[in-house]
Amino acid sequence: EADIYQTPRYLVIGTGKKITLECSQTMGHDKMYWYQQDPGMELHLIHYSYGVNSTEKGDLSSESTVSRIRTEHFPLTLESARPSHTSQYLCASSESRTGDTYEQYFGPGTRLTVT
Amino acid sequence: KNQVEQSPQSLIILEGKNCTLQCNYTVSPFSNLRWYKQDTGRGPVSLTIMTFSENTKSNGRYTATLDADTKQSSLHITASQLSDSASYICVVSDRGSTLGRLYFGRGTQLTVWP
Repeated sequence: EADIYQTPRYLVIGTGKKITLECSQTMGHDKMYWYQQDPGMELHLIHYSYGVNSTEKGDLSSESTVSRIRTEHFPLTLESARPSHTSQYLCASSESRTGDTYEQYFGPGTRLTVT
Repeated sequence: KNQVEQSPQSLIILEGKNCTLQCNYTVSPFSNLRWYKQDTGRGPVSLTIMTFSENTKSNGRYTATLDADTKQSSLHITASQLSDSASYICVVSDRGSTLGRLYFGRGTQLTVWP
């Protein structure tokens, strides 16, 4: 079982609210990622980080923002939630060792519903 | 365009039976191929990772194969159990980027009936 945690697991919120999805890992990994996944669809990378004070946008355009002030913490924020943001959000982390077969560990996900 | 296609989209089998899931990819340059298991409402969990030089890898009742020439992979599940009911996702990583970009398939939804 990977030591990566996400809270809340489920969130139902009204349009226009500001929300923060929390992600923490205790493995000391430098690389962290946020993915978005709709039912029956593939995961899409929306944000990633190489380490503290490093954040980059992923392949899928997202109105969310992220921060990386501590190695173990990678929160995702939506300033004004909309129904189009309804989705599952998965956080992941991996080592920074050389080579290609680094393992990527996923958290349990946050199921967000915006009404 | 880098893509990962999986088949079938869904599969129902009886407990104790074997099954094989397929994955075709166009990701280039190829680095490695992974199979993940994702239970409903949970994050994916890695089953196997194979590099270019590996053509078979096992993890218990799961055996993955890779043909890098034809860009195909399969995941064989032996003696299925009810707990095998999940989505199985094929993921391909490219070479050459620092991030090691992962390309995800949409998964095969496997249901095992008693």
